[in-house]
Amino acid sequence: TQLLEQSPQFLSIQEGENLTVYCNSSSVFSSLQWYRQEPGEGPVLLVTVVTGGEVKKLKRLTFQFGDARKDSSLHITAAQPGDTGLYLCAGEVEDSNYQLIWGAGTKLIIKP
Amino acid sequence: EPEVTQTPSHQVTQMGQEVILRCVPISNHLYFYWYRQILGQKVEFLVSFYNNEISEKSEIFDDQFSVERPDGSNFTLKIRSTKLEDSAMYFCASSEGQGSSYEQYFGPGTRLTVT
Repeated sequence: TQLLEQSPQFLSIQEGENLTVYCNSSSVFSSLQWYRQEPGEGPVLLVTVVTGGEVKKLKRLTFQFGDARKDSSLHITAAQPGDTGLYLCAGEVEDSNYQLIWGAGTKLIIKP
Repeated sequence: EPEVTQTPSHQVTQMGQEVILRCVPISNHLYFYWYRQILGQKVEFLVSFYNNEISEKSEIFDDQFSVERPDGSNFTLKIRSTKLEDSAMYFCASSEGQGSSYEQYFGPGTRLTVT
C-alpha cells in the first residue's frame, strides 16, 4: 500500500510567521501536487512539481520536490490570515496510470 | 470560468437504498474521476473514466459501484445498495488529458449520509 504522510496535521501560528508543511513517502512519484481545500468545497490545485529537486514559487508559497521524488515541502513566508485553510498533497505514483494518492492534509490557521 | 458541478450537494439515504450522484464535467474535458473523502480522513481515488469506459479503479470501487456517462454532459456514480460506511463526501473531477501536465478540476462535492 502506497502512503503519503503529511505533517504537521495541524498548525496554528501568528500572522507574519513562516511555516513549512511536509509530505513524505517511500514511493517514487512521477509528479506531486499541492492543493488547497476550503470547507464544503473540492480541492483546488496550487502547483504540480515533476522534476526531482524542482522548486516552484507562487507569491509567498515555495514548493520543493525532493531529489529522489519521494517527498515534497510547502513553505509559506510571512503567513497571512488569508492563507488559512486545509493544504493537501497528492502524488502520482510511477507506473500507476496517473492514479493519485493523497496525504491526510495540514489544517493551517493563521491568527491576525 | 468553466467549473465542474455536482448535484445534489447533500443526499441522505437509508442503508440498502440505491443512490445516484451526478456530475457535469467541464465541457471539453475527456477524463473523468470520482473520489471520496470520509469525514476526517484522506481523499481516496475511486475510479477514472475515459472514452466511455473505466480506465482505472481502486479496491474501494467494488461491484456496488458503477459509473456512467448517460449523455454528452453528465457523469454519474451509482451506489447500488448503500452501507453506513459509504457516508462521505464524493468529489467528481475532470481533466483535458491525463498525467501531470493536466490539472484535475474538482467539483464542490456531494455529501452522502447513509442512515
